[in-house]
Amino acid sequence: GEQVEQLPSSLIVQEGASVLINCSYTDSASVYFPWYKQEPGKRLQFIIDIRSNMERKQNQRLTLLFDKKTKHLSLHITATQPGDSAIYFCSAISSGSWQLIFGSGTQLTVMP
Amino acid sequence: GGIITQTPKFLIGQEGQKLTLKCQQNFNHDTMYWYRQDSGKGLRLIYYSITENDLQKGDLSEGYDASREKKSSFSLTVTSAQKNEMAVFLCASSIEGDTQYFGPGTRLLVL
Repeated sequence: GEQVEQLPSSLIVQEGASVLINCSYTDSASVYFPWYKQEPGKRLQFIIDIRSNMERKQNQRLTLLFDKKTKHLSLHITATQPGDSAIYFCSAISSGSWQLIFGSGTQLTVMP
Repeated sequence: GGIITQTPKFLIGQEGQKLTLKCQQNFNHDTMYWYRQDSGKGLRLIYYSITENDLQKGDLSEGYDASREKKSSFSLTVTSAQKNEMAVFLCASSIEGDTQYFGPGTRLLVL
């Protein structure tokens, strides 16, 4: 079945820095890739998504890049703030499936 | 907008006990999910339901039962709690296979 690998597992940066979170998947039938953020003590929050017919999507300081050939995604966060500190999860779902497969998460810490 | 609520927020059980977790959503979504989140791992799907009275097993269904009595609610039962088990159980809902919205979680500790 589908496997999703996410790297790095943790990142510590200074406020204002940019970060890159990478995600790779194995199932070429995967068509939809939502990303979630989980702040301490809070519920998972949807932040951005991309479909397999797109290469790039931007939402304010978030940019999501998708490479179908290499089965790779990367989430770029610019001008980080302490409020961005959270665990970030990538996920993938295949066409016709309801099962979302998650990566193991990236713990981002932004130091003021 | 809608919301997903989960009860209880914290659940402490004894080894071998049957424990039930509940989830309610008012998004009017057809599909609901139960995930388990362990520290250092991603979310793993236990059960999902694409409509009322439907049940589908996820990768982690062994040791669990689920019940979807009505569209807005989805229950999960730990059939026999394992000693020292500690995890967070997350409920989610969506329209078919689209973006999933999550509840706040139930934290389980088995003594």
